[in-house]
Amino acid sequence: QKEVEQNSGPLSVPEGAIASLNCTYSDRVSQSFFWYRQYSGKSPELIMSIYSNGDKEDGRFTAQLNKASQYVSLLIRDSQPSDSATYLCAVNTQAGTALIFGKGTTLSVSS
Amino acid sequence: GAVVSQHPSWVICKSGTSVKIECRSLDFQATTMFWYRQFPKQSLMLMATSNEGSKATYEQGVEKDKFLINHASLTLSTLTVTSAHPEDSSFYICSARDGPQETQYFGPGTRLLVL
Repeated sequence: QKEVEQNSGPLSVPEGAIASLNCTYSDRVSQSFFWYRQYSGKSPELIMSIYSNGDKEDGRFTAQLNKASQYVSLLIRDSQPSDSATYLCAVNTQAGTALIFGKGTTLSVSS
Repeated sequence: GAVVSQHPSWVICKSGTSVKIECRSLDFQATTMFWYRQFPKQSLMLMATSNEGSKATYEQGVEKDKFLINHASLTLSTLTVTSAHPEDSSFYICSARDGPQETQYFGPGTRLLVL
């Protein structure tokens, strides 16, 4: 069974802090990795995609991928209350198939 | 970025009626679209994979005769909930895959309430 694991949280951080969200996956041949944000009552919204080892930065967001450890993370710098949401990690394990989603980590940023 | 629309955003219907939900990729062609269902405070659940011009592939436990999927063009997939019952009330979300990077873009979702 191909799995994507996330800590469900909630992860609570104060405004302005760095939020660190982690994800592990079971299928070693996975090639594409995504982070989605889902606000309560809304559909998921793509934040970042990453395909090769290392860091990828986009504004306040940095995705980190370590294929040897089967680990992908998302860092949110200068966290804002508007970042409070559930963050979904998704992995593509086989071309042409649906992404496999983790259950999500709930982030709460307090002002 | 790629945009996916869904219609309607809200639907209330009586038990026993059928409801059709449309999913459109607005600025790209999607050979593959996906249908998900999400109950309150629960994870996304993949219902089926819809490929243009062929039959949909349903996940285990999803009744294909109850949830009819048609992917007639590269920009449109429809989900019909037939003979809907209150337990079918949920948030239905479609996504479309764009290109070889396998990125999935989600529609805004359709909230279904069956009375």
